[in-house]
Amino acid sequence: NAGVMQNPRHLVRRRGQEARLRCSPMKGHSHVYWYRQLPEEGLKFMVYLQKENIIDESGMPKERFSAEFPKEGPSILRIQQVVRGDSAAYFCASSTRTLTEAFFGQGTRLTVV
Amino acid sequence: AQKVTQAQTEISVVEKEDVTLDCVYETRDTTYYLFWYKQPPSGELVFLIRRNSFDEQNEISGRYSWNFQKSTSSFNFTITASQVVDSAVYFCALSESSNSGYALNFGKGTSLLVTP
Repeated sequence: NAGVMQNPRHLVRRRGQEARLRCSPMKGHSHVYWYRQLPEEGLKFMVYLQKENIIDESGMPKERFSAEFPKEGPSILRIQQVVRGDSAAYFCASSTRTLTEAFFGQGTRLTVV
Repeated sequence: AQKVTQAQTEISVVEKEDVTLDCVYETRDTTYYLFWYKQPPSGELVFLIRRNSFDEQNEISGRYSWNFQKSTSSFNFTITASQVVDSAVYFCALSESSNSGYALNFGKGTSLLVTP
């Protein structure tokens, strides 16, 4: 859904660099979800945030990954010291309340070289 | 354990054929939601349908139809008179009340190729 904006669409990073992925939810949406799609795989839940709160990060790798959704501005998924295995498509979804219908952004395709 | 199983990895049909994509799910919740998404080669996720656990009515939308059967925990998707533009990966997903925020569990997807 064009209402959820993710940028950049494509991101190339060298091993060891940091990757920052941004997600602007649809207007009025205060719930954000991040998912990761590894090559040839389905999407896996990473983290669920509400404004200024991480509600559930059970799907996030324990190290190098962090997410935030500040009071103002987009949600950020941050990957420090990227490795080749982080290469994937990262999708963000937003909703007005606890998910019953989520609208997805177009994804950010991260390539680690 | 896989919550959503899409047993068909790849399906190839000729244009105008009907095709059914299978989805079997597993949950202990009484309140849950089932979804289908389409991912065309361009990569975005296109929402197709959401169904809640209390509504077993089948749904038809143009050439698309969905068959929800709680007795077999299945939520199958049929495309009638397939077209080349239907070529995509289709994902079935489950959202449960026991998941924080009802986060989605996706199947691994079925890649559909429709040839002229």
